Amino acid sequence: LAKTTQPISMDSYEGQEVNITCSHNNIATNDYITWYQQFPSQGPRFIIQGYKTKVTNEVASLFIPADRKSSTLSLPRVSLSDTAVYYCLVGDNTNAGKSTFGDGTTLTVKP
Amino acid sequence: DVKVTQSSRYLVKRTGEKVFLECVQDMDHENMFWYRQDPGLGLRLIYFSYDVKMKEKGDIPEGYSVSREKKERFSLILESASTNQTSMYLCASKGVGNSPLHFGNGTRLTVT
Repeated sequence: LAKTTQPISMDSYEGQEVNITCSHNNIATNDYITWYQQFPSQGPRFIIQGYKTKVTNEVASLFIPADRKSSTLSLPRVSLSDTAVYYCLVGDNTNAGKSTFGDGTTLTVKP
Repeated sequence: DVKVTQSSRYLVKRTGEKVFLECVQDMDHENMFWYRQDPGLGLRLIYFSYDVKMKEKGDIPEGYSVSREKKERFSLILESASTNQTSMYLCASKGVGNSPLHFGNGTRLTVT
């Protein structure tokens, strides 16, 4: 299973763009990269998923270089409500989908 | 929208009790998972199931068992609860292929 490494914490200010990088050096060919957001006392919530290059949705972008050994979650113009823990998850696309969560990055957005 | 419901938000049990944590999903997902989350240790997979009556061990199955008699329901069982099983327990479900995990809001279990 691909092990992931993320920064433990990051600070930002409202309105800034935030980039959180996840390292996954032993990612397998079939693995996808998925990011989740978790608020206190709630379960993680899906943000974005990608396999290679760039993916964008209404809340974030995901950049994946050609070697796929890392990925970067980009949150444009963060607000106080984006304060949360962000997890990078790397796993295969079989039905069982057994994947390993990293330790997560605690993002604190300040006014 | 996918809904994963965990039967209890908070539970307090005594050491040695048998504990059942229930999880129900409403999206006909094949795959269901139980994680525990502890400060400094992140989310760790206990068991998962890819079909009715099927189960596979995750990273930390010791002290736990599971049951999946119906597709929508996945139960986590602590045969004899111990204080080191005090934790937040999170259930998740997932469809086929690359679909993401959908989590419930967790059950905070305290074993005294």
